[in-house]
Amino acid sequence: EPEVTQTPSHQVTQMGQEVILRCVPISNHLYFYWYRQILGQKVEFLVSFYNNEISEKSEIFDDQFSVERPDGSNFTLKIRSTKLEDSAMYFCASSEFTGGISYEQYFGPGTRLTVT
Amino acid sequence: SQKIEQNSEALNIQEGKTATLTCNYTNYSPAYLQWYRQDPGRGPVFLLLIRENEKEKRKERLKVTFDTTLKQSLFHITASQPADSATYLCALDHHASGGSYIPTFGRGTSLIVHP
Repeated sequence: EPEVTQTPSHQVTQMGQEVILRCVPISNHLYFYWYRQILGQKVEFLVSFYNNEISEKSEIFDDQFSVERPDGSNFTLKIRSTKLEDSAMYFCASSEFTGGISYEQYFGPGTRLTVT
Repeated sequence: SQKIEQNSEALNIQEGKTATLTCNYTNYSPAYLQWYRQDPGRGPVFLLLIRENEKEKRKERLKVTFDTTLKQSLFHITASQPADSATYLCALDHHASGGSYIPTFGRGTSLIVHP
């Protein structure tokens, strides 16, 4: 069964450093998402991406965040200058997209980001 | 303010019984509501999606109801098994300024099924 993959599974970085989290969405999906989940908290939407541009973004997704689809398979989240409060599990998800109708999302296993 | 509320206390039930989980919301007009399962340290797994004009949806042992007047969704697992033990998340898809949908998740309810 096709699945979303994410690398690395765990990333440790120092405050102020840049990190890039990588995702490979399901191949025939067109809509991509990033979420974060701080330990013990709810899953929070960061950004959605369709047709090579950001479709929606939340208040959390400020100027230190960026997303990119550098090739036909990868989807990346970059955090430019990490802060302690960026420590969380980051999930990538993908879904089919047909005419504006919301479809179920398939989540990856997550990358645990620890900022020290 | 907008809120999505799921029982924060764990639901403990005996194997074979029906588990019922609740999702209440305020100040949203969701077009869709989704239920996910999340196991510790793992990503959410999609279970069911129900649209605002649907009252009920079923899939195998799962049933979801959606009452937009009460602003509530109920999620049922019949003939529950210990393997159903997990956290169950409800997510409301609401129309965003860019023209597409943004999902907002509840904090989830932990279900523990005892053998």
